[in-house]
Amino acid sequence: AQTVTQSQPEMSVQEAETVTLSCTYDTSESDYYLFWYKQPPSRQMILVIRQEAYKQQNATENRFSVNFQKAAKSFSLKISDSQLGDAAMYFCAYRSGGGSRLTFGEGTQLTVNP
Amino acid sequence: DAGVTQSPTHLIKTRGQHVTLRCSPISGHKSVSWYQQVLGQGPQFIFQYYEKEERGRGNFPDRFSARQFPNYSSELNVNALLLGDSALYLCASSLWHRGRGTGELFFGEGSRLTVL
Repeated sequence: AQTVTQSQPEMSVQEAETVTLSCTYDTSESDYYLFWYKQPPSRQMILVIRQEAYKQQNATENRFSVNFQKAAKSFSLKISDSQLGDAAMYFCAYRSGGGSRLTFGEGTQLTVNP
Repeated sequence: DAGVTQSPTHLIKTRGQHVTLRCSPISGHKSVSWYQQVLGQGPQFIFQYYEKEERGRGNFPDRFSARQFPNYSSELNVNALLLGDSALYLCASSLWHRGRGTGELFFGEGSRLTVL
């Protein structure tokens, strides 16, 4: 079974600074997707960024980028120019290539200080 | 366009009771998934339905059941409620890509269930 581990229960960053959230996963599959989701107090899970395992290039979405290290099974999220609205719980998630279910990590609570 | 809608948003039940949670997917999405999120933890997969058929089931007891209707909306039913069933129940809808599995999941805001 696949597992996803987020070792940082809480992180904080100053507004406009950069922060990196860590995620490791374990799988024997070669075809899979990795995701970062954001869950603000409104509770709705919002997709931040996705990475296909077969792509070597790291995904980027505006201020959000990932460092995907396939051999090390590491998938970290970098948030640049942090904004107050970035404060939320962030979840790393895994999905098999042809599958339907997401496996989530335990989450990292991000605080952005003004 | 409307996103994924869930009802009710909050509810309180007592042990032993039954609960039904409802979900309407984004228009055009035929796949609906349910997740349970206990406070302080990541969501856990419960079910996925596509075209009214169960396509996946997580490690949950038989007290949990679900179904999908012809309009692709879905219900999650939980019987004989236990205190440990208190959680946020999230519904997500997606397109299904043949051979590639589920596309991007779009989540609703969840139904917060408290069991006393």
